[in-house]
Amino acid sequence: KQEVTQIPAALSVPEGENLVLNCSFTDSAIYNLQWFRQDPGKGLTSLLLIQSSQREQTSGRLNASLDKSSGRSTLYIAASQPGDSATYLCAVVPSGGGNKLTFGTGTQLKVEL
Amino acid sequence: DTAVSQTPKYLVTQMGNDKSIKCEQNLGHDTMYWYKQDSKKFLKIMFSYNNKELIINETVPNRFSPKSPDKAHLNLHINSLELGDSAVYFCASSQASGTQYFGPGTRLTVL
Repeated sequence: KQEVTQIPAALSVPEGENLVLNCSFTDSAIYNLQWFRQDPGKGLTSLLLIQSSQREQTSGRLNASLDKSSGRSTLYIAASQPGDSATYLCAVVPSGGGNKLTFGTGTQLKVEL
Repeated sequence: DTAVSQTPKYLVTQMGNDKSIKCEQNLGHDTMYWYKQDSKKFLKIMFSYNNKELIINETVPNRFSPKSPDKAHLNLHINSLELGDSAVYFCASSQASGTQYFGPGTRLTVL
């Protein structure tokens, strides 16, 4: 059974700092890995999707890497801003179809002025 | 021009009642999903439909019954509501195994 863990559970950083969020998964047989952000009381917004054959994806100040063999992904946020404050979730889709997302426990990020 | 919409946004009801949550997507996607986010913010898939056909059915009490009248709609009906059903329910859609787009959620409170 796939289990997805995110460390740390919560993180507070000053504005402008670069930071890394970690995600680990127990079963390396994945089809893709996705990173989402969730603002309080809102739905999820997709940030990046990495296919199992890819090593990284970039979008603006965000860079996500994937090491499938070790069961790890990181989300790098450059030059953090207060607007980045949210809960960040990673989720994996198993290989073999179904597009069933198994979510991690989330990292609650606060970027302070 | 909301991509994935859900109604209602909030739902407060008594134990034992039956309620429905509606979801619509205007993205032209062929796959739709229901997820449950519990009080600890943990998200877990419940159901998935592809072209109106059920393809994922996790271990969910049979009081929960999804219905997909067409590709753009996936409704969730819950019978005999229990306290433990209180949660935020999210609808999502995707094209095949692509990125999933989530609705704003329906916060269900069972009293």
